[in-house]
Amino acid sequence: GQQLNQSPQSMFIQEGEDVSMNCTSSSIFNTWLWYKQDPGEGPVLLIALYKAGELTSNGRLTAQFGITRKDSFLNISASIPSDVGIYFCAVATNKLIFGTGTLLAVQP
Amino acid sequence: SAVISQKPSRDICQRGTSLTIQCQVDSQVTMMFWYRQQPGQSLTLIATANQGSEATYESGFVIDKFPISRPNLTFSTLTVSNMSPEDSSIYLCSLLLGGADRTQYFGPGTRLTVL
Repeated sequence: GQQLNQSPQSMFIQEGEDVSMNCTSSSIFNTWLWYKQDPGEGPVLLIALYKAGELTSNGRLTAQFGITRKDSFLNISASIPSDVGIYFCAVATNKLIFGTGTLLAVQP
Repeated sequence: SAVISQKPSRDICQRGTSLTIQCQVDSQVTMMFWYRQQPGQSLTLIATANQGSEATYESGFVIDKFPISRPNLTFSTLTVSNMSPEDSSIYLCSLLLGGADRTQYFGPGTRLTVL
C-alpha cells in the first residue's frame, strides 16, 4: 500500500538548535500535512500545504511542499524543550495516510 | 477548530472481553474516523463512520471485530471485540471539518491494554 517514509526516525538535540525532518513518497499527493503528537494526546495539526512548491510558516515552524509533489520537509528553528514529541507527516486523499514519524528530544 | 473527547481515556482489559470507546464532538460533522496506533507506531485508519450509513472499513479491519455506531452528527462509538493482547493500542477518533482547509482533528485517544 501507500507509504510515507520519514527521516530521521529520531533526533536528540540541544535547546536552541534548528531541526529539519523530511517525508517522501513514491506517489504524488496534492495535500501534505504535518502533525505533532505529545505523549498521551492525539496528533495536532501544525501546518497544511496545498500547492506544490508552497512554503508555509507557523511561528518557528516552516514546511515546504516539494515541487514533485512526492515530498515535504519541516524545519523547526531555535528549538525549545516543549518541541519534544513525535512529528508525523500525512497526505490527504479520501483519507489521511500517516508517515512513520520522527521522535524529537530536546535537551535543555 | 473542534473539541473532541473520548471515554475512557485508558483501560486495562482481560483477553476475550470487549470494550466500547465513546467519542463526543462539540460540533456537527459528517465524517468521523477511527484510528489505531500500536505501541511506537504511526496511525492506521480502521474505518470511516458517516452518520446514517454503515461504516467503511479499511483493509485488515472487519465489522465483527470493530463494530462502529454513529447515531448522530456529534457522537460515535468503536467497540473492540473479543480482545487479545495484540489489540493493545491507542484508539483515536477523528473528524473532518469542511470549509476551505478541510482540517482533520483528533481526539486525545484511548489507551487500551489487554492482558
